[in-house]
Amino acid sequence: GAGVSQTPSNKVTEKGKYVELRCDPISGHTALYWYRQSLGQGPEFLIYFQGTGAADDSGLPNDRFFAVRPEGSVSTLKIQRTERGDSAVYLCASSRVGTDTQYFGPGTRLTVL
Amino acid sequence: DQQVKQNSPSLSVQEGRISILNCDYTNSMFDYFLWYKKYPAEGPTFLISISSIKDKNEDGRFTVFLNKSAKHLSLHIVPSQPGDSAVYFCAAITYGGATNKLIFGTGTLLAVQP
Repeated sequence: GAGVSQTPSNKVTEKGKYVELRCDPISGHTALYWYRQSLGQGPEFLIYFQGTGAADDSGLPNDRFFAVRPEGSVSTLKIQRTERGDSAVYLCASSRVGTDTQYFGPGTRLTVL
Repeated sequence: DQQVKQNSPSLSVQEGRISILNCDYTNSMFDYFLWYKKYPAEGPTFLISISSIKDKNEDGRFTVFLNKSAKHLSLHIVPSQPGDSAVYFCAAITYGGATNKLIFGTGTLLAVQP
């Protein structure tokens, strides 16, 4: 079956602009996660959705970052007033339930100039 | 503070030999440990996991060993193949709270030489 998909695969933007990153989880997966991977680091947790609600957003670095999952499937990560330090690969993962193996998408590489 | 550490940024082995990737952790509350493999421009792919109540789990060429007293785990790949060349991430998870987030190490780049 289809895996986790993320769009766009690459996004280049200018400092101060707004960006949206999209994640399509595996069909039927209720748990969805966003991670961010900076160069030379492992993925770092941003936010976790169980269904439509954000069960844990403790990893969001500041209030410029926001994520939604209005129908319990597709999720959008939104970044306002982007900064050069936001440049990273943003990874989405999903699992059947919260305690199951997480499957990752290919990521969106965000570059802020 | 880095709760999961992979102190070797890279490892090179000959095809057919054993690859041993190491991982240390500091949080004794972790319930599961996982290894993910990552190729360039792809997301991490789940490889193998081990429960904190076990000391070994084997799946084909891949075996993970857990030493709880030392807070150390290792992934053994034998025999190593050129297609195993990738970045390997160790990750840990604690269940039962509001989240089931993975805590990752910084990764080890494995190069298997033909």
